[in-house]
Amino acid sequence: GAGVSQSPSNKVTEKGKDVELRCDPISGHTALYWYRQSLGQGLEFLIYFQGNSAPDKSGLPSDRFSAERTGGSVSTLTIQRTQQEDSAVYLCASSRDHTGELFFGEGSRLTVL
Amino acid sequence: GESVGLHLPTLSVQEGDNSIINCAYSNSASDYFIWYKQESGKGPQFIIDIRSNMDKRQGQRVTVLLNKTVKHLSLQIAATQPGDSAVYFCAEKGGNTPLVFGKGTRLSVIA
Repeated sequence: GAGVSQSPSNKVTEKGKDVELRCDPISGHTALYWYRQSLGQGLEFLIYFQGNSAPDKSGLPSDRFSAERTGGSVSTLTIQRTQQEDSAVYLCASSRDHTGELFFGEGSRLTVL
Repeated sequence: GESVGLHLPTLSVQEGDNSIINCAYSNSASDYFIWYKQESGKGPQFIIDIRSNMDKRQGQRVTVLLNKTVKHLSLQIAATQPGDSAVYFCAEKGGNTPLVFGKGTRLSVIA
């Protein structure tokens, strides 16, 4: 596609449920990033992929968070047993490689009730 | 869309005036810097970048200044327009580290 695509754009879930957020990066971009943005906060780094491997998972807040990337393209961020503090906008970005500009999607807004 | 942040520093400028948004970065090893613009309900959008071997770079109506001595970055917007109203983030990167974002500044343009 022309830009980074994320789905769903909005997700409301109950505390304790699992959620999956999807990111489709720009075609040909080898690096893919997940960030989280809470209300009143900046962007918090979660994880990045170079190809299908994740050299840096340092930002994942807990073991309830995991991510995978297959075929060097689509990535899924999974949050298990969601908590209210997980409510935020989850932003995905991709770049041609790990050295330059990041192109962001519109984000997936997660609300945990 | 909803606000991306309710308690951000805010800069209010008159339409047509120049805006200067400042950012202090933390890592002296950072060698790549980007300014992003984020409108309500949208993802961040690239404005301009600069590498550490430069101290100034100009784009269309925007200029980024880098002072490595005091670890300071600024974004200047000439002839600010209502469409410039948004939250602006600086971001820094060094080596293999991921892009680290600042807290953001809300620019409000008064028509």
